[in-house]
Amino acid sequence: DAGVTQSPTHLIKTRGQQVTLRCSPKSGHDTVSWYQQALGQGPQFIFQYYEEEERQRGNFPDRFSGHQFPNYSSELNVNALLLGDSALYLCASSYGTGMNTGELFFGEGSRLTVL
Amino acid sequence: QQQVKQSPQSLIVQKGGISIINCAYENTAFDYFPWYQQFPGKGPALLIAIRPDVSEKKEGRFTISFNKSAKQFSLHIMDSQPGDSATYFCAARTYNNNDMRFGAGTRLTVKP
Repeated sequence: DAGVTQSPTHLIKTRGQQVTLRCSPKSGHDTVSWYQQALGQGPQFIFQYYEEEERQRGNFPDRFSGHQFPNYSSELNVNALLLGDSALYLCASSYGTGMNTGELFFGEGSRLTVL
Repeated sequence: QQQVKQSPQSLIVQKGGISIINCAYENTAFDYFPWYQQFPGKGPALLIAIRPDVSEKKEGRFTISFNKSAKQFSLHIMDSQPGDSATYFCAARTYNNNDMRFGAGTRLTVKP
């Protein structure tokens, strides 16, 4: 049973560019959440997708956007990259949302470096 | 944004010793308190979790102690092993909120 898979694992961009990160949830899961983990910090919630809609958003600007596809996979897009966007981006899948949210399973992350 | 404060930042324990990591929270609406373990190059993995209706939960060598009145909870790792060396995160969320709030993490090193 494949767990949560993310791609790419590492990437380098320059300021002002745009990036797309991809996530395939664990088999049987229908909800995808994205987190940003800065070096030496805990993950911070960006947003969650369920039934192809953004259900909840953390304190991130609208430069951060996402999408969920009918097969439950998801993309995270970041526009107009800033140096401060350098971080590990984690995808977490689960079954259900809100009060019915099950256990979060995290992928290994995509390490973004902005130069 | 952080509503969960974790200490210590780093911890060194001898093999066989007890590792203790503490967390404090502010939001009394939190009702789910998990601990995650993260190895280098990996994503966090759920270790153990507790809800506020119990004061303690034990799974193998790992125990969560929960003090609702003090708004604190802690992770105890008994008989710590070198393989336990990792970064540990406490977290919290409310039952109807998808925004999991994480502590800043504790880097645990267990010396053989």
